[in-house]
Amino acid sequence: ETGVTQTPRHLVMGMTNKKSLKCEQHLGHNAMYWYKQSAKKPLELMFVYNFKEQTENNSVPSRFSPECPNSSHLFLHLHTLQPEDSALYLCASSPTTWAGGYGYTFGSGTRLTVV
Amino acid sequence: AQSVTQLDSQVPVFEEAPVELRCNYSSSVSVYLFWYVQYPNQGLQLLLKYLSGSTLVKGINGFEAEFNKSQTSFHLRKPSVHISDTAEYFCAVSGSGGSNYKLTFGKGTLLTVNP
Repeated sequence: ETGVTQTPRHLVMGMTNKKSLKCEQHLGHNAMYWYKQSAKKPLELMFVYNFKEQTENNSVPSRFSPECPNSSHLFLHLHTLQPEDSALYLCASSPTTWAGGYGYTFGSGTRLTVV
Repeated sequence: AQSVTQLDSQVPVFEEAPVELRCNYSSSVSVYLFWYVQYPNQGLQLLLKYLSGSTLVKGINGFEAEFNKSQTSFHLRKPSVHISDTAEYFCAVSGSGGSNYKLTFGKGTLLTVNP
């Protein structure tokens, strides 16, 4: 399998649940990203990882907890979410954190609904 | 800091008509420019990119874009659209260093192709 794979594609969770989103890339990239895409809002960069180390956290609430065990895998652990957290969560990767002329490769996203 | 402005949030057109989606950028350094397409409930897919050289860039699905340095623009065009081109289109820019190393996205333009 190639590219960036996100699982699950759809997730419905209650506000007291704990769930995790998974992202896996088979491109040999070293940088990985989590984005949030809400209806009628611009793309929001949440976290950046480079060689497994977090290099950016854009004031994301602690109910979102990222984990990057290696350069190929990225998780987003979710707990006690709010309805306004319902959105499409996108994972992306790039060879390095310098986007340069490569840009980012995106997964298909996880559609999260918090009830 | 670099920025991207997509001048139209929505563009409705009829099938087989030409379309232009406008993008202006702001950056103090050399730039790399990208157009991505997002179909409903999918991730972002690279349409085309400008790195250097010829200012006219051809991409997938019959799209092309022209880099205009003096007008700081990178407009996307297609001479004849299909219903299947209905999607959201994002313009993005990255630079050569400093705070411009990341990919900065515009807010997106929703292209709706009507029969």
